[in-house]
Amino acid sequence: EEQLLESGGGLVRPGGSLRLSCAASGFTFRSYAMNWVRQAPGKGLQWISHISSSSTNIYYADSLKGRFTISRDNAKNSLFLEMNSLTDEDTAVYYCAGGYLDVWRGNWYLDIWGRGTLVSVSS
Amino acid sequence: QSVLTQPPSVSAAPGQRVTISCSGGTSNIGNTYVSWYQQLPGTAPKLLIYENNKRVSGIPDRFSGSKSGTSATLVITGLQTGDEADYHCETWDTSLNTGVFGGGTKLTVL
Repeated sequence: EEQLLESGGGLVRPGGSLRLSCAASGFTFRSYAMNWVRQAPGKGLQWISHISSSSTNIYYADSLKGRFTISRDNAKNSLFLEMNSLTDEDTAVYYCAGGYLDVWRGNWYLDIWGRGTLVSVSS
Repeated sequence: QSVLTQPPSVSAAPGQRVTISCSGGTSNIGNTYVSWYQQLPGTAPKLLIYENNKRVSGIPDRFSGSKSGTSATLVITGLQTGDEADYHCETWDTSLNTGVFGGGTKLTVL
């Protein structure tokens, strides 16, 4: 069974940093493009970042570029998100999601999702 | 403010048909593929439809997707109480070079 399991969430002070991890199992992780998506309480989904299977292509939401860094370790079937200078607006459930992206055809979808990890930014 | 616009909520009775719209522009829906996700209360999103109208394996044919111009539509027929969920549209914006989601639509089955 395809599974993604996020970890690393928790309570952090404004201005602080956090590193999220996502462990993959049940599918060929090294062949999958991966993403981070977040959802603030009572709000819709917000895409954060995409990393291709070999880490060659990386994209970020403009509003988060410079503060968030996505990376992966295919040998360990793991995806990461480094988050810096956190504010209360970053409070959300953070989902790890795998899928497909063809930039030239504008074709993008996410067919494997984790359960999410909650990040709370508060003093 | 989401790049893609969805109605905040829709409702219909069991057995009825409901449509959920997703409106964008030429840099996204107008020239890309649209996907739809179902998010049951307290759970992670689940992919329903990809490439505008292809159902994921195991998704009943009560769910269908379509696209015309810069808008996409999710149609659910034969509504069931278990369909109560938030539905999100999504695509890639070729101008921003980013993934974009709609604001989500809450479906209530009366």
